[in-house]
Amino acid sequence: DAGVTQSPTHLIKTRGQQVTLRCSPKSGHDTVSWYQQALGQGPQFIFQYYEEEERQRGNFPDRFSGHQFPNYSSELNVNALLLGDSALYLCASSPRTLYNEQFFGPGTRLTVL
Amino acid sequence: GQQVMQIPQYQHVQEGEDFTTYCNSSTTLSNIQWYKQRPGGHPVFLIQLVKSGEVKKQKRLTFQFGEAKKNSSLHITATQTTDVGTYFCAGRTSGYALNFGKGTSLLVTP
Repeated sequence: DAGVTQSPTHLIKTRGQQVTLRCSPKSGHDTVSWYQQALGQGPQFIFQYYEEEERQRGNFPDRFSGHQFPNYSSELNVNALLLGDSALYLCASSPRTLYNEQFFGPGTRLTVL
Repeated sequence: GQQVMQIPQYQHVQEGEDFTTYCNSSTTLSNIQWYKQRPGGHPVFLIQLVKSGEVKKQKRLTFQFGEAKKNSSLHITATQTTDVGTYFCAGRTSGYALNFGKGTSLLVTP
């Protein structure tokens, strides 16, 4: 049983560019959350997707958008990249029940130059 | 907005010593979760606490949730080198978002 997978592993972009990160949830999970983890910080909640809809959003600008597909996989898009967007982007999946642990993927390390 | 504070930021112990990290929220939490992240790794779920005053144990790890559901602690008895990593608490108020603290980085020297 594969856990949460993310691609790519690493990515280097320049300011102003756009990026798309991908996530496949753990088998049997239908809810996907995205987090941004800056160096030395805790993960910061970006948004959560359930039934192909954004269910809740954290304090991130509209440059951050997402999508969930019918197979529950998800994408995170970031437009007009800033240097401050450099971070580890983590995807976490969970079953639909609210009080459940989240299974994190290995993350995508994004560097913006 | 809700803030989750963790102390200490770093802790360096000798193997066999005990370790405790504390988590405090500015608002009452519906539940709190604890995660461990090894260097270069991703967060791994340890436990969830839901009830006021709840205490749960996992071998050498003891987790507590305060009576007011605003604070929590993780205590490790007789640390081992395998305990090295950053321990995060993550709390929920209402809704689905998990708010993580900044974590406590534990270094254990043999």
